[in-house]
Amino acid sequence: GDSVTQMEGPVTLSEEAFLTINCTYTATGYPSLFWYVQYPGEGLQLLLKATKADDKGSNKGFEATYRKETTSFHLEKGSVQVSDSAVYFCALITNSGAGSYQLTFGKGTKLSVIP
Amino acid sequence: NAGVTQTPKFQVLKTGQSMTLQCAQDMNHEYMSWYRQDPGMGLRLIHYSVGAGITDQGEVPNGYNVSRSTTEDFPLRLLSAAPSQTSVYFCASKSSSGHIYNEQFFGPGTRLTVL
Repeated sequence: GDSVTQMEGPVTLSEEAFLTINCTYTATGYPSLFWYVQYPGEGLQLLLKATKADDKGSNKGFEATYRKETTSFHLEKGSVQVSDSAVYFCALITNSGAGSYQLTFGKGTKLSVIP
Repeated sequence: NAGVTQTPKFQVLKTGQSMTLQCAQDMNHEYMSWYRQDPGMGLRLIHYSVGAGITDQGEVPNGYNVSRSTTEDFPLRLLSAAPSQTSVYFCASKSSSGHIYNEQFFGPGTRLTVL
């Protein structure tokens, strides 16, 4: 079945540091890829997405590129802020008929940014 | 729009008790789903519905029942609560029209403890 593997946290960075959270996947079919963010005490919000190979999703300074050859979708940000402290989830969805709306999530990576 | 709303925010049950977690959305979304979030496990799909009157099982359906009598509401029932059902529960919805990779919108969650 489909699966998503992302780097284990927690990750602690100083403000303005560079962030990378690794994400790789296995999927039947041709998936679309997502990053969701969960701020403390809240539900998940879509951060960015990419629907085909070599697409780059971007939002709020975060970027991720869909790499089909390495089955990866790593999340990056050049300069993190304290307000970026959250849990980040990598996820995929495939076009597989009746089940095509089901997101498969990674386990999440907790990011803490200190001033 | 209120988006996706969930009640209650917190609940404590004793083993064997039953209860219903409420979920409602005002975006006229056809697709709704329930997830549970456990530490180190990411989000796992419990049940989902592609429209009123249609429900199906996800990855971890045992111990939970759902029904979908209206487009707006998708309640999750625990028939006989067990400590293994201690978790944070998220309801989500998305539009089925247009692109299947449309964003899923998540509610704020219900934190359930079963003693």
